[in-house]
Amino acid sequence: DAGITQSPRHKVTETGTPVTLRCHQTENHRYMYWYRQDPGHGLRLIHYSYGVKDTDKGEVSDGYSVSRSKTEDFLLTLESATSSQTSVYFCAISESRNNEQFFGPGTRLTVL
Amino acid sequence: AQSVTQLDSQVPVFEEAPVELRCNYSSSVSVYLFWYVQYPNQGLQLLLKYLSGSTLVKGINGFEAEFNKSQTSFHLRKPSVHISDTAEYFCAVGPNSGTYKYIFGTGTRLKVLA
Repeated sequence: DAGITQSPRHKVTETGTPVTLRCHQTENHRYMYWYRQDPGHGLRLIHYSYGVKDTDKGEVSDGYSVSRSKTEDFLLTLESATSSQTSVYFCAISESRNNEQFFGPGTRLTVL
Repeated sequence: AQSVTQLDSQVPVFEEAPVELRCNYSSSVSVYLFWYVQYPNQGLQLLLKYLSGSTLVKGINGFEAEFNKSQTSFHLRKPSVHISDTAEYFCAVGPNSGTYKYIFGTGTRLKVLA
């Protein structure tokens, strides 16, 4: 299994609070991605990174920001959490642009 | 723009019967196609991938898929399913030139009945 972990695995927070999710990899892969998974929507890309300090927006980036200061860590921040951001968040990594992605175990976030 | 369509949101099938999960894609250039499986409360695992070469791709757990360029399809098949195959299956298309984004279908929930 690819060495990819997410923390925390579960979190309950209140509307309006900031939340940071962490993705950590030990594979030295260049590309990292944050997705959210919601029933009926499959996986939707929030942000991705193609190198240290190189990030870009996905299709559902509003309300989210990311940072990648070193190869192994990719942080996702919800600046002011809303109930619509209640979801399961997955991190993925990829060694090259067109090869398969490896997924972390997910973080279940509930915003009350 | 690329897109992926999984027409069946749920597929019930009896144990030891064959199954086909359908995936159609839209892409104007070369495609890289993937099938992933997700078991309850877990992340996604790669079942198989098509990058180039033979259009019939074999994956793990006895699954296979066929890339059909003329029909823009990449259907997943298994000749005989087991209870343990009950899971959600996602089709995805890899990035085109100039982008890094993978596009996922909305998933097909396979339920294997005893």
